[in-house]
Amino acid sequence: QVHLEQSEAEVKKPGASVKVSCKASGYTFTSFYMHWVRLAPGQGLEWMGVIDPSGDTTTYAQKFQGRVTMTRDTSTRTVYMELNSLRSDDTAVYFCARALYGAPGIWGQGTQVTVSS
Amino acid sequence: QSALTQPPSASGSPGQSVTISCTGTSSDVGAYNYVSWYQQHPGKAPQFILFEVNKRPSGVPDRFSGSKSGSTASLTVSGLRAEDEADYYCSSYAGSNNFVFGTGTKVTVL
Repeated sequence: QVHLEQSEAEVKKPGASVKVSCKASGYTFTSFYMHWVRLAPGQGLEWMGVIDPSGDTTTYAQKFQGRVTMTRDTSTRTVYMELNSLRSDDTAVYFCARALYGAPGIWGQGTQVTVSS
Repeated sequence: QSALTQPPSASGSPGQSVTISCTGTSSDVGAYNYVSWYQQHPGKAPQFILFEVNKRPSGVPDRFSGSKSGSTASLTVSGLRAEDEADYYCSSYAGSNNFVFGTGTKVTVL
């Protein structure tokens, strides 16, 4: 069955970068887009962007353009999300979610990223 | 891109129904029949419960149903159960490979 395994929690200082990984199994990796979504404390889900693993093309939410980079490694079936210039309000749980009927449908377990000086 | 608007909270007694609205614009909910709904329990990943307004992924009970009128979509949970107490989010395709989520609704089973 489809499974997405995300990397462990991270603690970063303001201004640093974080790179979260999402390793996929149980399906043809290049056949489905992968979304990234975050959930900050007291906030709602926020869509960050999507990557097409077959062609490495990306679409980022306007809010994150210039600060986020999504990449993939087909040899390891892994998608990455890197967020730069971290601020305290980037503290959140970050999820990868494989597309199902186009929408974020099958979710990883989430990765806690804490930004604190 | 602004978040879709949902009521902060909704509630109902066991066995009753609760309906949650999700209001967008003519650029997202009003433009596409690609509205999805998610259920999220505390500390867990969201669960995909509806797609394309009113379709259920495999395994989702028919107590969950959806509709759309203009720029407002709705989720109805019928026959409320204790385990339905969770946060619910809508999401819509917004064109050019963009998506947007709703503000979220906390459902309480009284």
